[in-house]
Amino acid sequence: SQQGEEDPQALSIQEGENATMNCSYKTSINNLQWYRQNSGRGLVHLILIRSNEREKHSGRLRVTLDTSKKSSSLLITASRAADTASYFCATLRMDSSYKLIFGSGTRLLVRP
Amino acid sequence: DGGITQSPKYLFRKEGQNVTLSCEQNLNHDAMYWYRQDPGQGLRLIYYSQIVNDFQKGDIAEGYSVSREKKESFPLTVTSAQKNPTAFYLCASSTWTGGGWGEQFFGPGTRLTVL
Repeated sequence: SQQGEEDPQALSIQEGENATMNCSYKTSINNLQWYRQNSGRGLVHLILIRSNEREKHSGRLRVTLDTSKKSSSLLITASRAADTASYFCATLRMDSSYKLIFGSGTRLLVRP
Repeated sequence: DGGITQSPKYLFRKEGQNVTLSCEQNLNHDAMYWYRQDPGQGLRLIYYSQIVNDFQKGDIAEGYSVSREKKESFPLTVTSAQKNPTAFYLCASSTWTGGGWGEQFFGPGTRLTVL
C-alpha cells in the first residue's frame, strides 16, 4: 500500500514561477525524502528531512515537514524549464527502517 | 567514477522465458534494492538486500528471484511465473547513516518488454 501520496498529480507553471508539491503519509516516520525523475530515467535524490526537523533548504528547494499533520511540502522557487520532471516523496517508516515507501508522484511541467 | 549501473537498458523477452537484469554498484553500499515502476505510477519494492548472502522479499516478490553473492552485485531474474512483467525496473543502493538507511542512489533503469 502507498504510504506517501502526492498532491497535485500534475502541475503546469510558467518559467520563473514557484512550484509547490505536497505529500501526505499515514504512519510514523524516521525520515522523508524527495526524489526527482526525468522521463524514462532513474531517480535522483533531492533532499532528506528527518522526523525531528521542520524545514530544510537546498539551493532553490525548500522542504517542510509537519509530523502532527503527517505531511510535507516541496517548494521549487524560480522554476526553470529544466525542472520539468516527476517528483516523488518517499518515507522511511519507524517500524521498518529498511523500507522506503514511494508515493505516486507529481508530474511538473515548466513552460518556457 | 562512483555510481550504480544497470544493464541492459532495453530488454525484450518472449513469454515463458526467464531473463536476468544486472545491477552493479561501486559505492561500497551495504544495501541494494529492486523496484518496479509501471507507467504513471510510483515505485514498488520487489526485493532488497542489506548484506551479502542475505535478501528479503518486498511487496511484489512473486515471479521474481535475486541473489547477493557479492557486495557490488544484485541481479534480478524475472521468471516465467511473473504474469505481467512488462515494466521499468530500477535498482538502488544505500548505506547506513546511524539513524537508519539513508538516501538511495538509483541506476538508470531497464525497460523490459514481453512480446
